Amino acid sequence: NAGVTQTPKFQVLKTGQSMTLQCAQDMNHEYMSWYRQDPGMGLRLIHYSVGAGITDQGEVPNGYNVSRSTTEDFPLRLLSAAPSQTSVYFCASSRAAGSRDYGYTFGSGTRLTVV
Amino acid sequence: KNQVEQSPQSLIILEGKNCTLQCNYTVSPFSNLRWYKQDTGRGPVSLTIMTFSENTKSNGRYTATLDADTKQSSLHITASQLSDSASYICVVSARGAGNMLTFGGGTRLMVKP
Repeated sequence: NAGVTQTPKFQVLKTGQSMTLQCAQDMNHEYMSWYRQDPGMGLRLIHYSVGAGITDQGEVPNGYNVSRSTTEDFPLRLLSAAPSQTSVYFCASSRAAGSRDYGYTFGSGTRLTVV
Repeated sequence: KNQVEQSPQSLIILEGKNCTLQCNYTVSPFSNLRWYKQDTGRGPVSLTIMTFSENTKSNGRYTATLDADTKQSSLHITASQLSDSASYICVVSARGAGNMLTFGGGTRLMVKP
């Protein structure tokens, strides 16, 4: 099925460990983004990309890196995990703003716990 | 700062009843407003998207309204079903900000039999 695929679905890390959350889409969407969702709060943008080779910071980028070497993939790297990064992470993709249809498609999320 | 506020935070209704969720925003300049449904443990799924010129849009039993003058939107759910139990998120994007979105905190709806 076409859509946004996130892996893993669940992850437990120790403080200081690093890891990469994977995100892939097969809809040829130009725009991809990473959000974190914390209890009682709206989704907050971490990083986004408007196309292959182009990335930029969102609202809460500290402690995270991204790259966009292909249109399909947009991995999110945690450099040195901290308990404050315990959250649910969502990857989303869409066509470029101004396209006739730029509704967002979200992945199913990665639940990360840092102990 | 762009903000989206939703009310109520949570709501319990009986199956078959109607309900209305509210969204107030201060995003400027306004581009569009979206309502999403998020089931527990899943990513948000789009219900409606409205631009400045649209006052109402329906998707089955879901009807969204937009008043761009007062910067308010509502999502009306008719004849609720148990499967409507979810969080409903209002999301607003600003014109000229690319695909940057501002998310509300959501309304958690529980439909009981």
